Amino acid sequence: AQKITQTQPGMFVQEKEAVTLDCTYDTSDPSYGLFWYKQPSSGEMIFLIYQGSYDQQNATEGRYSLNFQKARKSANLVISASQLGDSAMYFCAMREGLSGGSYIPTFGRGTSLIVHP
Amino acid sequence: DAGITQSPRHKVTETGTPVTLRCHQTENHRYMYWYRQDPGHGLRLIHYSYGVKDTDKGEVSDGYSVSRSKTEDFLLTLESATSSQTSVYFCAISESAGSTEKLFFGSGTQLSVL
Repeated sequence: AQKITQTQPGMFVQEKEAVTLDCTYDTSDPSYGLFWYKQPSSGEMIFLIYQGSYDQQNATEGRYSLNFQKARKSANLVISASQLGDSAMYFCAMREGLSGGSYIPTFGRGTSLIVHP
Repeated sequence: DAGITQSPRHKVTETGTPVTLRCHQTENHRYMYWYRQDPGHGLRLIHYSYGVKDTDKGEVSDGYSVSRSKTEDFLLTLESATSSQTSVYFCAISESAGSTEKLFFGSGTQLSVL
């Protein structure tokens, strides 16, 4: 079973609108972390946002927010006021294992976001 | 940001030849990772290291070996490259600062096995 599931292979959004990219995860570890990364066509991996499993509030970083619903095991990325430069692949990832001693991040398959003018 | 460099950036090789990719970090981070990225698969973990001489297998470790003789260097070796190992390879390190964690990635290595 996949530990990270991103069900949207591709998404389209109009410039200046908000968009939500879905991510669900599966773990039995009580201590875990969730990440979102952006990969533009240049290929670099850009860190966007992090949420720890014990964090009570949803993480926010500028136009990015992580909608963390622990009971549903979902960690959706919300991008507000989309810009043309937001067109990229987006990856959700989960880090398990601090309680077990290892620290292993697992990635989803990604969602391709295209922002239309 | 953590200083992490990968070399080479591009490599073309022939089936059956050995290939070594290097990941170098400048900030003494404990955990280092090698991932491969293929269309439709996202990033899949090959091997990781949690200290000098301490390594373990990831999801797609067959055909790959690693070594970490110094904290700053993590080497990935394809003992006998196959066409199925054509991919983009990323090295990453993990960093914790307060309540935030990050993975920092190298620029990637485009490997083509002909």
